[in-house]
Amino acid sequence: DAGITQSPRHKVTETGTPVTLRCHQTENHRYMYWYRQDPGHGLRLIHYSYGVKDTDKGEVSDGYSVSRSKTEDFLLTLESATSSQTSVYFCAISESVNTIYFGEGSWLTVV
Amino acid sequence: QKEVEQDPGPLSVPEGAIVSLNCTYSNSAFQYFMWYRQYSRKGPELLMYTYSSGNKEDGRFTAQVDKSSKYISLFIRDSQPSDSATYLCAMSFSNTGNQFYFGTGTSLTVIP
Repeated sequence: DAGITQSPRHKVTETGTPVTLRCHQTENHRYMYWYRQDPGHGLRLIHYSYGVKDTDKGEVSDGYSVSRSKTEDFLLTLESATSSQTSVYFCAISESVNTIYFGEGSWLTVV
Repeated sequence: QKEVEQDPGPLSVPEGAIVSLNCTYSNSAFQYFMWYRQYSRKGPELLMYTYSSGNKEDGRFTAQVDKSSKYISLFIRDSQPSDSATYLCAMSFSNTGNQFYFGTGTSLTVIP
């Protein structure tokens, strides 16, 4: 298994509260990603990072921010959680163009 | 139009059957083609990848790429109940910043 740890794995939060999901890798891969996966939509890229302090938006970035202060950590923050952000979130890492590895997922419910 | 299209299924087959899973794509510049397996409530795991056209075999799994038709396939021989999962295809370019494009996944059930 790729050395990717996501925390928390499950979280229930209230609408309007901020939430931070953490991704930690032990592989020293340059690229890190946050995806959400929803029925009918598949995996959708939220944000990604191509180095420490280097990040860019994906296709569904509204309402999300990220930070990467160390190679091994990539944080996803929902600034003010909404019910539409109820989803499963996957962190992924990549070093080469032919492979991307995923974490086990973080299930978020916004009530 | 999405870059990568994949029939969501669901697909249900008897144990021992040959399974064919497919994706089509629109961008002829894709060079790497990957297949992932995702069990329920787990993250996608890489099964195999191929570069450009051709076949690649790994045990009971064979990946095929037909770039002229913009069509890729994953064949599973002698399917087992443990193969029951969602299968996702993914693609990338050869030199543009590690961007990956995913199909939505095909749900497969292998019936004992």
